[in-house]
Amino acid sequence: DQQVKQNSPSLSVQEGRISILNCDYTNSMFDYFLWYKKYPAEGPTFLISISSIKDKNEDGRFTVFLNKSAKHLSLHIVPSQPGDSAVYFCAALNTDKLIFGTGTRLQVFP
Amino acid sequence: KAGVTQTPRYLIKTRGQQVTLSCSPISGHRSVSWYQQTPGQGLQFLFEYFSETQRNKGNFPGRFSGRQFSNSRSEMNVSTLELGDSALYLCASSFTGAEETQYFGPGTRLLVL
Repeated sequence: DQQVKQNSPSLSVQEGRISILNCDYTNSMFDYFLWYKKYPAEGPTFLISISSIKDKNEDGRFTVFLNKSAKHLSLHIVPSQPGDSAVYFCAALNTDKLIFGTGTRLQVFP
Repeated sequence: KAGVTQTPRYLIKTRGQQVTLSCSPISGHRSVSWYQQTPGQGLQFLFEYFSETQRNKGNFPGRFSGRQFSNSRSEMNVSTLELGDSALYLCASSFTGAEETQYFGPGTRLLVL
């Protein structure tokens, strides 16, 4: 039973355009969400997070939006750069455990 | 400051064998969590250790076990390996277990034949 879902396994975006990565969750009790970025042969690195008391959090080119009623969050990257090509995982915090989605592979091409 | 290190980086085993993976957290970190990453399931939480005690556990069979030493280094053991145990095993460390401050190691890729 996948409580955190990333329904798009891959996404291809042109450099300079916006990348939008989506994530859905099933448990309305989740109140803290995180995005991690993973390059091949490396562990995931923390990117940005959002608490359920907010609906938006911005950090440079990265913005995370949370829609609690839809149980949906999204990560926007603008402008996208080739170095952003990686696998992105969203995660929800559930009683001191992180529950991850299956990941979306983002490819940014020139 | 050195990052999280995991050894070995790659491992090939056969069904029925057992394996032990090691994780050295960032100096000063007392919490170590283990995750299994597979293509279809993403990252799944195995367990978390804090001050030598297992504090949280995911939904994995008893063949998966772990421990933490007094220097916060952690080991993960999988007994009676199955083909489906082939995965990337990641450990992450943090000061107190606050997940937003977790730092991941590069992982150990296990292949079970």
